[in-house]
Parts: sequence; structure tokens; C-alpha cells
Amino acid sequence: DTAVSQTPKYLVTQMGNDKSIKCEQNLGHDTMYWYKQDSKKFLKIMFSYNNKELIINETVPNRFSPKSPDKAHLNLHINSLELGDSAVYFCASSQDWGVGEQFFGPGTRLTVL
Amino acid sequence: SQQGEEDPQALSIQEGENATMNCSYKTSINNLQWYRQNSGRGLVHLILIRSNEREKHSGRLRVTLDTSKKSSSLLITASRAADTASYFCATDGAHQAGTALIFGKGTTLSVSS
Repeated sequence: DTAVSQTPKYLVTQMGNDKSIKCEQNLGHDTMYWYKQDSKKFLKIMFSYNNKELIINETVPNRFSPKSPDKAHLNLHINSLELGDSAVYFCASSQDWGVGEQFFGPGTRLTVL
Repeated sequence: SQQGEEDPQALSIQEGENATMNCSYKTSINNLQWYRQNSGRGLVHLILIRSNEREKHSGRLRVTLDTSKKSSSLLITASRAADTASYFCATDGAHQAGTALIFGKGTTLSVSS
């Protein structure tokens, strides 16, 4: 069974479009995260939710909006996509709030044309 | 802002050799973690070392932590082709509402048979 899953794995879209990436974890974890990995493999936290509540909201454009319908899901919606949004987006989860081991999804490679 | 810096950026060795990667960070930490990322995959947690620990082992992995120098090293002994991957250190970073992992840029390890 996949612990942290993301869909889709690949997303190719035009500038200006709106797209969503879904994430689900079946580990029973309380905390979920979204990271962005750029072309140089630099990985940066975007958002963190604990028990469906937003905990961390890094300096990302407000075109990015996370939504957590329940503890097991954290989706990422992106409006008005720009070329610079092209990256790999990773969802992750951890047992609880704090900085222990995180479990990562396989990533979603977003390409904006 | 980026917390960890791995060194070297890239490392190529032969199977059976040892691989050492270093990580330096800037601020005080509670713990430091190492993750592995295979090409096109998500990150996998390898080991966590707490700030009051100096050394930790897990199988062929040995991690050291020197908080006075704000540095850590990851040693992989008797490397295998399957160890080919990018390796990242991650430290806990302070945010207004909590903490999150801050990743370095990673070391790309190539092990040839």
C-alpha cells in the first residue's frame, strides 16, 4: 500500500490555466506538507497543515491555495499558472506537529508552457 | 531561507568504496535528518540525529553531528550501485507558528560498478 500518494504524477498545462494536485496519506498522520523542488533540486516548504489547520504558509504567491478536507488529504490548487511555477511538487506527512521523520509522496512534475 | 549546505555537490565513486557527504547549517537546531532521493522519486528518510547526540549508526550509514561547528556528515560504507541517488540534510527551522524542515541543496552520489 502506498503511504503518501499524489495525483497526477505529471501535469503539463498552458500559462494562465488553473490546476490542482491531490495528496492522500494512509498513515494516520496528523501533519501534512507541500514542498516545491526546483530544477536545481532545491526543496522548499510551502505549506503545512496540522489536523486540517494551516500552520505554515511560506512566502508563496496567493495563487497557490492549499485545502485540507480531512486529516488524510491535502490538496494544492494553483490559479493563473506562470512559467516559473514549473517544478516538482511533493506532498509529505509526519506523525504529529514537530520535526520528526517525514514521509514523502512520489511528486508531481508540473510543466507550464 | 536555506539552512543546510551539502558538500560536495557531486561525488562519483566505485562500488565498495566509502562515500562521505557533509552538511553545514546556520542556526541552532533540535535535530538533523538525512534523506535520500532516487531519480524521479520522492525523498526517503534515512536517519535522524538529535542535537545532544554526536554519532548514530543505521546499517551501512553513519552520521555524525558537531553542533559547535554546526556541521554533520553522512558516511555510507561499502557503497553499492543502488546507493546512487541525491542525499539531503534537513534541519528544523523556526517559523512564527512552528517549525518545519529546511533542506540543503543535496549531494548527488554516483556509484559505478
